[in-house]
Amino acid sequence: NAGVTQTPKFQVLKTGQSMTLQCAQDMNHEYMSWYRQDPGMGLRLIHYSVGAGITDQGEVPNGYNVSRSTTEDFPLRLLSAAPSQTSVYFCASSPDAAGNTIYFGEGSWLTVV
Amino acid sequence: GENVEQHPSTLSVQEGDSAVIKCTYSDSASNYFPWYKQELGKRPQLIIDIRSNVGEKKDQRIAVTLNKTAKHFSLHITETQPEDSAVYFCAANDYKLSFGAGTTVTVRA
Repeated sequence: NAGVTQTPKFQVLKTGQSMTLQCAQDMNHEYMSWYRQDPGMGLRLIHYSVGAGITDQGEVPNGYNVSRSTTEDFPLRLLSAAPSQTSVYFCASSPDAAGNTIYFGEGSWLTVV
Repeated sequence: GENVEQHPSTLSVQEGDSAVIKCTYSDSASNYFPWYKQELGKRPQLIIDIRSNVGEKKDQRIAVTLNKTAKHFSLHITETQPEDSAVYFCAANDYKLSFGAGTTVTVRA
């Protein structure tokens, strides 16, 4: 049982490049989400999904797209990377959105130069 | 949306003393309040949580209290040990989980 798996773990991008952070979970969780973590600012919600085919914006969605074609996968796309998107990204999943334990992936360290 | 404020931002305690971290939230619909511990370079890990129908919950040296009327909840760590040094985050769930900014706890030996 792998839990929540994120790839890549480290990535350096040039300004303007696009890329996709992959996230997969094998716990059959309906709820998945993406957070970014910046020093002194906690974890801020980018996008979330309550089930396959359903996505919604979180607190800081600009510059990011998501899709949820299957229950297992929830990729995060950076459309045109900017230095302000340098951050640590965490994918998370939970059985549902009603107040259950959220499990985090190991994180993806992204640097945009 | 939900707004979670967390205090203090840093906390230094002597080994064996207690540590208290306080959070407030804005949305009265929030009904689930977890606490996470994050060590350097690691993912956040759940250490304790409390639901809105409970006022207090304890797990060994860790306890959480919730005051729904005042919209605040607190984490209490007793008999602190060096391995308690980490960043702690509170969160509130009103259908999506919103986090406080974190408290860096340092336990001095």
